[in-house]
Amino acid sequence: DAMVIQNPRYQVTQFGKPVTLSCSQTLNHNVMYWYQQKSSQAPKLLFHYYDKDFNNEADTPDNFQSRRPNTSFCFLDIRSPGLGDAAMYLCATSRDWAGGSETQYFGPGTRLLVL
Amino acid sequence: GDSVTQMEGPVTLSEEAFLTINCTYTATGYPSLFWYVQYPGEGLQLLLKATKADDKGSNKGFEATYRKETTSFHLEKGSVQVSDSAVYFCALSETVQGAQKLVFGQGTRLTINP
Repeated sequence: DAMVIQNPRYQVTQFGKPVTLSCSQTLNHNVMYWYQQKSSQAPKLLFHYYDKDFNNEADTPDNFQSRRPNTSFCFLDIRSPGLGDAAMYLCATSRDWAGGSETQYFGPGTRLLVL
Repeated sequence: GDSVTQMEGPVTLSEEAFLTINCTYTATGYPSLFWYVQYPGEGLQLLLKATKADDKGSNKGFEATYRKETTSFHLEKGSVQVSDSAVYFCALSETVQGAQKLVFGQGTRLTINP
């Protein structure tokens, strides 16, 4: 089945040690998103790619970077994770913007633990 | 900016009870409205959506009607099941540089007891 896949499902890293989370999609969607969801909170958009164009949310810390080498893959890099970065990270995709009514398809998420 | 306010949880009901989860929004335009559901340990799944005023979204027995006059999109189900236990997020869409940005409410945790 076409889907959004995130690896790994659980990631443990040490304080300050760079970590990369990955997302792939078989939907051939143009847009890919990264959300951060802390415990019992709503998902918060970090950034998105519209094709190769990168769009950062104004309040996303510089510690968070992203790469999209091709249509199918997108990576979230956390350069120096802090304890406050422990969260679930959700990847999502959508087709081209259609007046804002497009459905976003979410992956299962990667839960990041920072020790 | 645009925002979504949801009924605070958690909500606990017995099986076959009637469910309402309130959602209101603030937006400058006429956004599309969504309900997403998150089961334990999983990502979000679209439950239903409505793209214009008076539209009704429906899926799996759940319904919500886009009410422009009250800026609301309340989620309802006539008879809930244990399998409906999850966190429910109301969201609206706004346009950001050629793509859609979802603005979520804080989520409502629903527990259905047998």
